[in-house]
Amino acid sequence: AQSVTQLDSQVPVFEEAPVELRCNYSSSVSVYLFWYVQYPNQGLQLLLKYLSGSTLVKGINGFEAEFNKSQTSFHLRKPSVHISDTAEYFCAVSDHTGFQKLVFGTGTRLLVSP
Amino acid sequence: DTEVTQTPKHLVMGMTNKKSLKCEQHMGHRAMYWYKQKAKKPPELMFVYSYEKLSINESVPSRFSPECPNSSLLNLHLHALQPEDSALYLCASSQSGQAEQYFGPGTRLTVT
Repeated sequence: AQSVTQLDSQVPVFEEAPVELRCNYSSSVSVYLFWYVQYPNQGLQLLLKYLSGSTLVKGINGFEAEFNKSQTSFHLRKPSVHISDTAEYFCAVSDHTGFQKLVFGTGTRLLVSP
Repeated sequence: DTEVTQTPKHLVMGMTNKKSLKCEQHMGHRAMYWYKQKAKKPPELMFVYSYEKLSINESVPSRFSPECPNSSLLNLHLHALQPEDSALYLCASSQSGQAEQYFGPGTRLTVT
């Protein structure tokens, strides 16, 4: 079974500053990793995914994440945030079975202020 | 097109009512999912359909009844719900053999 830890429940940051949202996972098998964003009163939008290959993954809206197998981490980064990035961010993991059962972390609320 | 649509957007129902939530995707995906999300919590998986057959039921109470009439449609029939069932219900789909799931905007359900 897999598990995901997002240690930071909330990350406040000023506009145009860089940000890193942390995600660590636990699994005894190979995994796929994802970051989703949820704006208030909306569904989840896929930001980026790691399936295989290059460990640096680029996603939408200027976000990127790096898969580190030895540290079992998949931290999300953005070099310069905007007010519109204020949202809830979920890290998720699934194994390589046919129809993936996503396991989500508890989420990190990114609060961008002017 | 990576769109999953859900109707209605909001639903208020009494504990004796019967209602249904609808989800639709036209991406040719062969797996569809129902999730329940309470406020300030991550989504929790309820059901998975693959090739229109129920493949995962996460021990969901029988007052929730899923149905997959065809490969594009997924319904969730609701009956005799409790106030604690009030939540955002999310539908998602994924393509056979691929990992990422695409989510709809959700139905905000309130049980009175």
